[in-house]
Amino acid sequence: AQSVTQLDSQVPVFEEAPVELRCNYSSSVSVYLFWYVQYPNQGLQLLLKYLSGSTLVKGINGFEAEFNKSQTSFHLRKPSVHISDTAEYFCAVSGLNTGGFKTIFGAGTRLFVKA
Amino acid sequence: DTGVSQNPRHKITKRGQNVTFRCDPISEHNRLYWYRQTLGQGPEFLTYFQNEAQLEKSRLLSDRFSAERPKGSFSTLEIQRTEQGDSAMYLCASSLTGTADEKLFFGSGTQLSVL
Repeated sequence: AQSVTQLDSQVPVFEEAPVELRCNYSSSVSVYLFWYVQYPNQGLQLLLKYLSGSTLVKGINGFEAEFNKSQTSFHLRKPSVHISDTAEYFCAVSGLNTGGFKTIFGAGTRLFVKA
Repeated sequence: DTGVSQNPRHKITKRGQNVTFRCDPISEHNRLYWYRQTLGQGPEFLTYFQNEAQLEKSRLLSDRFSAERPKGSFSTLEIQRTEQGDSAMYLCASSLTGTADEKLFFGSGTQLSVL
């Protein structure tokens, strides 16, 4: 079975500073990796996903993530954050042995961007 | 594409009552998921459907919970004899075919409060 660990429950950062949200996963088989974002009072939406190929994946709103198989990590980064990036971010995994491809989510990291 | 719609947005009920939630997925989507999210946690998988067939139920889902998708379109989630521990946000998501690499489209959720 797969599992996902998000290492930080909250990350406060000043506007225009860089940010990294950490995610580690556990799996015995190949997986697909995702980052979803949840803005206040909205549903989750996909930021980016890693399926195969280049380990650096670019997503919406200037976010990118790097897949590191040896460290089983999929950290999310943005070089310069905006106030509007304040939201909850969820790392997720889906794979061949999750029993029908259901997606498993981490506990989330709340990004708080301060002016 | 009108998105995934969930009703009601909020439900307050007394312990012991039955409640039913509805999810309308994106019209051409074959796969439909139910997740539960509590404060400070990521979405927890409950069950999913491929068209009208319910393919998996989480062990989190006690026999007080039942879900249906009778014609492969909308789905309902019923909780019988609600308990205070059932208080959570219930999320519905859908995807086009249900393969592991697909992104999920989420509704805004139904917030259940059991008094």
